[in-house]
Amino acid sequence: QKEVEQDPGPLSVPEGAIVSLNCTYSNSAFQYFMWYRQYSRKGPELLMYTYSSGNKEDGRFTAQVDKSSKYISLFIRDSQPSDSATYLCVPYNFNKFYFGSGTKLNVKP
Amino acid sequence: GAGVSQSPRYKVAKRGQDVALRCDPISGHVSLFWYQQALGQGPEFLTYFQNEAQLDKSGLPSDRFFAERPEGSVSTLKIQRTQQEDSAVYLCASSSPGQGVTEAFFGQGTRLTVV
Repeated sequence: QKEVEQDPGPLSVPEGAIVSLNCTYSNSAFQYFMWYRQYSRKGPELLMYTYSSGNKEDGRFTAQVDKSSKYISLFIRDSQPSDSATYLCVPYNFNKFYFGSGTKLNVKP
Repeated sequence: GAGVSQSPRYKVAKRGQDVALRCDPISGHVSLFWYQQALGQGPEFLTYFQNEAQLDKSGLPSDRFFAERPEGSVSTLKIQRTQQEDSAVYLCASSSPGQGVTEAFFGQGTRLTVV
């Protein structure tokens, strides 16, 4: 079983839609949960992160962690074509980033 | 430079050839990571350095893979006797120490194709 499971998509939505990206993880020791965004042929870049359970909002993006069910979500409001990328959920523990396989998002104008 | 720099960007190697991939981290960053990203997959951990010390090499897939960071700055990932299954993007990331988690800044990667 992989440490992090993520639906690979692709997910295609119209501009302005609300997007929900999710993943599950297996290691209950994870405390930090990150979302990285990766554009084609680029390295991943940090979008936001949360500590333990709860919500965190940053502009159009909201990250949500439910440690009891080991479930991580990222919501994107008013999605834009520039949001088209692969989104990777990444629990972090002891100097190791555990990447999911990523969900490819396409926002159509 | 402003970000993590990796070279070469693209490398084609014949099966059995040795390759060396270079990573220039952000100046002053203590931590350095190497990841392997197969097509359509998320990055997989290879190894981690703190300054010149390789603290974790548990992700290196075989003894053909070797990484070093002799002066605590530039790092090189070497793959000996390359195989087709080594074809992937190799990503380097660096971060500075801090409380809890710190952001890792990734380079654009080296795309290795073994033919």
